[in-house]
Amino acid sequence: NAGVTQTPKFQVLKTGQSMTLQCAQDMNHNSMYWYRQDPGMGLRLIYYSASEGTTDKGEVPNGYNVSRLNKREFSLRLESAAPSQTSVYFCASSEGGALNYGYTFGSGTRLTVV
Amino acid sequence: GNSVTQMEGPVTLSEEAFLTINCTYTATGYPSLFWYVQYPGEGLQLLLKATKADDKGSNKGFEATYRKETTSFHLEKGSVQVSDSAVYFCALSLHFNAGNMLTFGGGTRLMVKP
Repeated sequence: NAGVTQTPKFQVLKTGQSMTLQCAQDMNHNSMYWYRQDPGMGLRLIYYSASEGTTDKGEVPNGYNVSRLNKREFSLRLESAAPSQTSVYFCASSEGGALNYGYTFGSGTRLTVV
Repeated sequence: GNSVTQMEGPVTLSEEAFLTINCTYTATGYPSLFWYVQYPGEGLQLLLKATKADDKGSNKGFEATYRKETTSFHLEKGSVQVSDSAVYFCALSLHFNAGNMLTFGGGTRLMVKP
């Protein structure tokens, strides 16, 4: 199994450009997440989708939008990129339910906004 | 609110030394606790977990015990190897929270020298 697949792995954008980060999981997980990782800040939740058809804001949603396209896919969109969005972005998925048995993470997208 | 506090790194050890990385938490409910590991250039991987007080999670020689009385989940390994060099994240998830959201600590970088 591939697990969680993110594309692209690297991206450089100019300020004001838009782009969509793609994420797909093949584990039939119900819940999916987008995190950003910045030096010294750990991981911060941007958006999550508890189940197909639902999305909710996390800790740092400003400047981002998401789409849960189907059970497998959860995309993150930057409408007008800013240098402050330079970061490493991780998608993750989990089974969901009452107890958390852990996440499966993708390998990340390293985004630089110049 | 919920939060996780880890000891700041980097932690530098010689091979075969004993490792402890401290983690304490605050939670409004009853959490599950996790340790994740991130190797250079990769996404996070679940290392071990514990879902109730006094549980001990273990994997690859690493151990952590869920201590409700001290709200702690310290990571230990008796003899580290160079291959253990990575960033370690402590995290919690409240039972029955919609979406199984994880709250992460800031991460602790471990460097093991031959």
